[in-house]
Amino acid sequence: GAVVSQHPSRVICKSGTSVKIECRSLDFQATTMFWYRQFPKQSLMLMATSNEGSKATYEQGVEKDKFLINHASLTLSTLTVTSAHPEDSSFYICSALGQGLSTDTQYFGPGTRLTVL
Amino acid sequence: RKEVEQDPGPFNVPEGATVAFNCTYSNSASQSFFWYRQDCRKEPKLLMSVYSSGNEDGRFTAQLNRASQYISLLIRDSKLSDSATYLCVVRNNNDMRFGAGTRLTVKP
Repeated sequence: GAVVSQHPSRVICKSGTSVKIECRSLDFQATTMFWYRQFPKQSLMLMATSNEGSKATYEQGVEKDKFLINHASLTLSTLTVTSAHPEDSSFYICSALGQGLSTDTQYFGPGTRLTVL
Repeated sequence: RKEVEQDPGPFNVPEGATVAFNCTYSNSASQSFFWYRQDCRKEPKLLMSVYSSGNEDGRFTAQLNRASQYISLLIRDSKLSDSATYLCVVRNNNDMRFGAGTRLTVKP
C-alpha cells in the first residue's frame, strides 16, 4: 500500500528556534499534501494544503509566515515552524493524495511530535 | 457549530458488546464520508468509507443519511483490539474535515 513517511518523528527544541518537518511519499507521486496539527485530546486541525509547484493554501487563523510550507517535488513537502514557542508544541501530521491512487483516500504520515521548551 | 460533530464519549464496553457511534456534519455539499481509527499517539488510519447505501466490513457497519447529514458506525462483537479513537471524516473535493473523535475502550 501507499506509504508516507515523516521526519523527524520527535523533536524537542528551545523557544525561538526553527524546526523543519519533512513529509515524503515513498512509493507514489503526491500531487497534493496536507498538513494537520493535533493538540492532546482534540481533533486534527487542517493547517494548509499544498500542491506541487505552487503556493500552499492556508486555513484561516494559520500564519503563513510562521508555518512555511514547501512542496518542491511530487514526493516531498516540508513544514518549517519558524521561531517556535511553547504553544506550538503539538503533534504535526502530513497526509497525501496520490496520482493513480484512490482519490478517496488520504495517506497519513506517522506524525511528528514537537515539544518547544 | 462545528463542521463535524461526534458523540463525546468515552465509551467503555465489555468484550463482545455492540457499540454505535454517531456523527453529524454541517456542509450539505460534502461528497465523501469516512471513518478513521486513531490509536494513542499515532496517525489516523482509514477504517472504512461510508456509502449512501450503507456498507459492511466484517464486524463494522457504516451508514449514511444525507437528508439528515448523519453518519454512523456500528461495531459488533467488540474486541480488545478495537480500543481506539474513532474519527468521523467528511470530504468536499480536497477539503477533509475531521470530527473530534470518540474514544472507545473495550474491557475484558
